[in-house]
Amino acid sequence: DIQMTQSPSALSASVGDRVTIACRASQSISSWLAWYQQKPGKAPKLLIYKASSLESGVPSRFSGSGFGTEFTLTISSLQPDDFATYYCQQYDSYGAFGQGTKVEIK
Amino acid sequence: QVQLVQSGAEVKKPGASVQVSCKATGYTFSTYGINWVRQAPGQGLEWMGWISGYNGNTDYARKLQGRVTLTTDTSTNTAYMELRSLRSDDTAFYYCARTYCSGGSCYSGPCDSWGQGTLVTVSS
Repeated sequence: DIQMTQSPSALSASVGDRVTIACRASQSISSWLAWYQQKPGKAPKLLIYKASSLESGVPSRFSGSGFGTEFTLTISSLQPDDFATYYCQQYDSYGAFGQGTKVEIK
Repeated sequence: QVQLVQSGAEVKKPGASVQVSCKATGYTFSTYGINWVRQAPGQGLEWMGWISGYNGNTDYARKLQGRVTLTTDTSTNTAYMELRSLRSDDTAFYYCARTYCSGGSCYSGPCDSWGQGTLVTVSS
């Protein structure tokens, strides 16, 4: 089965910072990758699909890139509402998630 | 608007079974599938499987095959997840989420709308 590895597991950042989260697949998944945001006690929310397509209603400060095995989620200017945990998910074969990256206030 | 409303929290003993429901409104049920994802308290997300709202086709995570069954009732636009032979490490929030399908098969992602989650606690 395809394994997904995110880095870092956690990071501290300030409002206005540019934040980058990496996600690596154990084998090529083409562009079949999604990114989700989850806040405590809530269901995940879809941000990005097909590696770089922005879900409707998601702010443009979120962007995704990558292909094959290496992917990145970037928040161009961190806002107070963005402090949360972020997960990548591959949907090329089954649906493995990364272990998550917690974005905390510095 | 798309809404997925799940059944309430459950407490089960080890070895028992649990069924969680997920009622869909606001879209054509047969055009999409439903993924099930679980999350142990304080842990990450685990994909469990999907079911087509069109023809009931399913696919399951290897780890859970033989213990999980996904079904739908198209007369009420409701999806169900049954998990059998429960163990303490099955204690988790269980989410349903809408996904895309094509040609009778669905995708394990992306999940664009989610239910509110159902806490299943397994304890003796």
